Amino acid sequence: DAGVIQSPRHEVTEMGQEVTLRCKPISGHNSLFWYRQTMMRGLELLIYFNNNVPIDDSGMPEDRFSAKMPNASFSTLKIQPSEPRDSAVYFCASSLTRWETQYFGPGTRLTVL
Amino acid sequence: AQRVTQPEKLLSVFKGAPVELKCNYSYSGSPELFWYVQYSRQRLQLLLRHISRESIKGFTADLNKGETSFHLKKPFAQEEDSAMYYCALTAAGNNRKLIWGLGTSLAVNP
Repeated sequence: DAGVIQSPRHEVTEMGQEVTLRCKPISGHNSLFWYRQTMMRGLELLIYFNNNVPIDDSGMPEDRFSAKMPNASFSTLKIQPSEPRDSAVYFCASSLTRWETQYFGPGTRLTVL
Repeated sequence: AQRVTQPEKLLSVFKGAPVELKCNYSYSGSPELFWYVQYSRQRLQLLLRHISRESIKGFTADLNKGETSFHLKKPFAQEEDSAMYYCALTAAGNNRKLIWGLGTSLAVNP
């Protein structure tokens, strides 16, 4: 298994543009997590899904952020419109259940100019 | 509120020296605690969890409920231990999401 796959690995965009980050969890894992990592705030959980259903989105910073999981093998995190303060590394992780070890993807480094 | 504190952003030791990465938590119930590690150019991955009570790569961590701590220790640091270390907590209950510390960057010098 290739593990959790994220794309793109790097994204540079201009303020106001829409950004879509993608994640493919490990096959058979039922829980999927989106995190944001910055120097100031460390790792922050944005949202997590269990069996494709969003369970807790309290970490989503504002309405500009949205996440979907249309099926068990794919999730997206969308920022529209993007702002410079959204610049960060965004990680996706999956686990067998929400309480098991989380397996992380390589992250997407987002830079908003 | 649940919180994880890693007081040191950066810890630098020499090879062969003992190392202790501190983690303190705030939670009134019975937590589950974890250490995750991110080596350079690698993914964040689980190092150990307190319920398994095992030693991974020579690292151990003991949950001290009295001091609300879960410090990570290794008696003799190796250069390959240089990495970013995160302590995380999950609380009992139905919504057991992980609460993360800010991380400690460990540099082991030759």
